[in-house]
Amino acid sequence: DQQVKQNSPSLSVQEGRISILNCDYTNSMFDYFLWYKKYPAEGPTFLISISSIKDKNEDGRFTVFLNKSAKHLSLHIVPSQPGDSAVYFCAASEINAGGTSYGKLTFGQGTILTVHP
Amino acid sequence: ETGVTQSPTHLIKTRGQQVTLRCSSQSGHNTVSWYQQALGQGPQFIFQYYREEENGRGNFPPRFSGLQFPNYSSELNVNALELDDSALYLCASSLAVRANYGYTFGSGTRLTVV
Repeated sequence: DQQVKQNSPSLSVQEGRISILNCDYTNSMFDYFLWYKKYPAEGPTFLISISSIKDKNEDGRFTVFLNKSAKHLSLHIVPSQPGDSAVYFCAASEINAGGTSYGKLTFGQGTILTVHP
Repeated sequence: ETGVTQSPTHLIKTRGQQVTLRCSSQSGHNTVSWYQQALGQGPQFIFQYYREEENGRGNFPPRFSGLQFPNYSSELNVNALELDDSALYLCASSLAVRANYGYTFGSGTRLTVV
């Protein structure tokens, strides 16, 4: 049961253009969403996050959009740079039965982003 | 400020053996989580430790066990290794349990079971 899905295994973008990475989820108890970037032979690195009470969060070239009704989030990278080439993971954490968030992250399968010079 | 350190970086074991993977959490972090990442997949939550107590567990059998020490470093133990246990094992540490505190991941241990 894949609760977080990244349906595009790969994305190729020209340098300077916008990269849009998508993520869908099924668990309505998810209340916090994160994007991680992973280079080969390194651990995932946190990029940006968003709480379920917001619909947008921006940090420099990175913006995350959340559509709760559609259970969909997206990461926009503008402008894209060759150094952004990596695997991008969407992750979510859920509210537990006590109504507080706890630490388990549920990850999508990842999208390989390639930015061409 | 040191990050999360995992050892060893690579390991080859035989089916049926036991393995121990180690993780030193980032300075000041009291929460450690372990994830298994199979090839082509996203990381899957194994369990989390907070102040030396298990604080949550994913869908992994009991032969996956862990420890957290008073200095907040951690071990992941896997008994009776199976071929499907071949994966990258990631450790992540945090200031606290909640995801919004942020998790810092180590570079992982690549385990191959033959």
